[in-house]
Amino acid sequence: AAGVIQSPRHLIKEKRETATLKCYPIPRHDTVYWYQQGPGQDPQFLISFYEKMQSDKGSIPDRFSAQQFSDYHSELNMSSLELGDSALYFCASSGRAGGSSTDTQYFGPGTRLTVL
Amino acid sequence: GIQVEQSPPDLILQEGANSTLRCNFSDSVNNLQWFHQNPWGQLINLFYIPSGTKQNGRLSATTVATERYSLLYISSSQTTDSGVYFCAVENSGAGSYQLTFGKGTKLSVIP
Repeated sequence: AAGVIQSPRHLIKEKRETATLKCYPIPRHDTVYWYQQGPGQDPQFLISFYEKMQSDKGSIPDRFSAQQFSDYHSELNMSSLELGDSALYFCASSGRAGGSSTDTQYFGPGTRLTVL
Repeated sequence: GIQVEQSPPDLILQEGANSTLRCNFSDSVNNLQWFHQNPWGQLINLFYIPSGTKQNGRLSATTVATERYSLLYISSSQTTDSGVYFCAVENSGAGSYQLTFGKGTKLSVIP
């Protein structure tokens, strides 16, 4: 079965640089979520999109932005990177057809971002 | 926001032993998922279980929504079961579909 695809899998950046993470949800899934997991921490919700519209916002810094495109893939843009942004970034997708919330979130393999 | 507490925080098992992991949550939930995070960082879905009981091989889970807890049972543990087990919930009263994770239970299975 197709899974969530994330690219790149690993990314190394310098402080103050920008980074773009990409997510391709499971086919026919209409909702995409982004989570950030710092070292030794649990994943924290950043932002979500339902049918290409932002549906929910968590603890996402103002330096970060995200969008979902017409083909349902999503991108997380991170600017002015800081050392504390080093983390594992997960994308998840679900099929919330008709607005139902009762659907499993399937997680991608993650992008490991290291800021030097 | 909703609080999710997992216990125990750490667990060391001899291969072949059984274990029970617990997840308590502070409010009603639409969604409850158990994940296994392997040493490479991948989050593997184990169960979607907002209520009731499910089994998958050596793993089973039970959620008692009225009492706001869920249990994950691991039987005949293997070294490949090592990793961190997370419980995550979606708060039905918050109008939000985000998952809130517990701090996890770190399981080490030794030969």
